[in-house]
This record gives sequence, structure tokens and C-alpha cells, in this order.
Amino acid sequence: SQELEQSPQSLIVQEGKNLTINCTSSKTLYGLYWYKQKYGEGLIFLMMLQKGGEEKSHEKITAKLDEKKQQSSLHITASQPSHAGIYLCGAAPKTAGQNFVFGPGTRLSVLP
Amino acid sequence: DTEVTQTPKHLVMGMTNKKSLKCEQHMGHRAMYWYKQKAKKPPELMFVYSYEKLSINESVPSRFSPECPNSSLLNLHLHALQPEDSALYLCASRHTGSVTQYFGPGTRLTVL
Repeated sequence: SQELEQSPQSLIVQEGKNLTINCTSSKTLYGLYWYKQKYGEGLIFLMMLQKGGEEKSHEKITAKLDEKKQQSSLHITASQPSHAGIYLCGAAPKTAGQNFVFGPGTRLSVLP
Repeated sequence: DTEVTQTPKHLVMGMTNKKSLKCEQHMGHRAMYWYKQKAKKPPELMFVYSYEKLSINESVPSRFSPECPNSSLLNLHLHALQPEDSALYLCASRHTGSVTQYFGPGTRLTVL
């Protein structure tokens, strides 16, 4: 079965600093999702990457998928307290009917 | 509109109670999901409904009983729960042919 690892497990940064979160898959990914979750709340879809080498940006968040489609990084530029939360990567199933596997999450705190 | 709603937001119940969680979406999505999330853990899949029929049951105990009365509504009926069932219960939905899941805000369940 597919497994995802994330690093770091948790991260505390000063406001304004850049940071990177990594997600590594045990198998080649069909697609990779990034979600953000505030404590005790639902998951907010950030972006999905499907092609090797693909890079997407939304506001100050950039996600990349490596050429081999086994590793993804999420980069936040000039972090703000609003970026705080848990970032989860998820492996997109190859077919729509298959299960969705999440990584363990990275807890981000941004100090004002 | 990419909103999935869940009610109630919080629920406290005794082990002998019967309660239900509700999830609703009006995006025309024909796949709906129940996930369970314990503290500091990623969401774990419980059930998947496709076209109002149960397609996946991840060996969930029978004290959890899902129901999909129509294409917009998904219920989770709870009976004789245990304290270890206390968790955040997340609902998600997906459009047919897409693998992107949209999550609701969750119901925080506490079993006393």
C-alpha cells in the first residue's frame, strides 16, 4: 500500500520567514494533493499536482512535484500568522473510486 | 460553490445514546465520504458512497451506520459508542471523474 511521509513533523517560524514542507511517497504518485487544516476544522484544498516537474502557486504558497513523482515540496514565502495550521499531503488515487491516502501532517506555527 | 456543510459542529454523547451526524453538499457530487480523525493524526477513511450506494466500508464497527438518502445528503448514525470513538468526523465529496475531494468543517464528537 502507498505510504506518505512528511517532514518536518512540526515547524515554528518567525513571521516574514520562508519555509518548506516536504512530502515523500513510497510509490510513484498518480497525483499529489496539498491540504491545509486549522486545528479541529475541516481540510482546505490548496492545490493538486499531477505531472512530473509540475509547479503551482497560489498567493504566497508554491508547490512542486519532482520529475519522478515521488516527492513534493510546499514552500511558503514571507509567512504570516494566517499560514499557521496543519499541512497535509495526500496521494491521489489512480482511479476516482480508489482510496485517498494522507501523510501524517506538518504542524506550522508562525510567530508574530 | 465548493461548500460541504456538516452539522452539528460539536456533539457530546453518552455511551447509550443514539445520535446522527449530517453532511450536505449541493455541488452535484455523486461520491461522498466519511473520515475519522484523531488528534494529531491524519484523517482515516471510514465509508465511501458512490451514487447513493455504499461502495467502501473500511471495516468500521457496526455501531457506526452510514446512510445516503439522496445525492446531496450523507448521514452517520451513531449508537452505543465508546470513549475511544471521540474524534473529529469529516465528510467529503467528489465530482464523478475527478479525484479532488472537498471537505466539510467536521463534527467534533466526544463520547463520555
